[in-house]
Amino acid sequence: KQEVTQIPAALSVPEGENLVLNCSFTDSAIYNLQWFRQDPGKGLTSLLLIQSSQREQTSGRLNASLDKSSGRSTLYIAASQPGDSATYLCAVRRQGGSEKLVFGKGTKLTVNP
Amino acid sequence: GAVVSQHPSWVICKSGTSVKIECRSLDFQATTMFWYRQFPKQSLMLMATSNEGSKATYEQGVEKDKFLINHASLTLSTLTVTSAHPEDSSFYICSARGTEPSYSNQPQHFGDGTRLSIL
Repeated sequence: KQEVTQIPAALSVPEGENLVLNCSFTDSAIYNLQWFRQDPGKGLTSLLLIQSSQREQTSGRLNASLDKSSGRSTLYIAASQPGDSATYLCAVRRQGGSEKLVFGKGTKLTVNP
Repeated sequence: GAVVSQHPSWVICKSGTSVKIECRSLDFQATTMFWYRQFPKQSLMLMATSNEGSKATYEQGVEKDKFLINHASLTLSTLTVTSAHPEDSSFYICSARGTEPSYSNQPQHFGDGTRLSIL
């Protein structure tokens, strides 16, 4: 059974700092991995999707890496801003026909001005 | 593009009431939609996969007679929580996946969720 763990559960940083969020998964047989952002009481916004054959994806100040063999992914946020404050979720989709996403509990990020 | 609308955003009702939640893909066709539930401080858990024109596939432990899913068109899926009780109070989120050009590489696009509170 796939399990996804995100560390830390919460993170508070001053504005402008570069930071790394971690995601680990127990079953390396994944199809892809996705990072989402969730604002309080809201749905999910997809940030980056990495296919199993890829090592990283970049979008603006965000960079996500994937090491499938070790079951890890990181989300790097450069020059953090107060608007980046949200909960960041990692989700994996396993290989095979199922499109089921297995989510971690998330990392709650607070960027202080 | 790829906007998913979910309605209502918040529902408060008495125990025993049935509640219907709608999930619409506004600018794309979605043959497949997904229903998730999120309890406080817990991860999102897939409840069921909804396919247009066929019966939904439920995850283990999810009662199909309690959580009725109807996916009658390529842009609309509904989740009805029947005879809701306080333990059904949760945040329900839907997602939809497009079909072109290749469904296997299409990401899921999520709605804003519905906060359900049963008194």
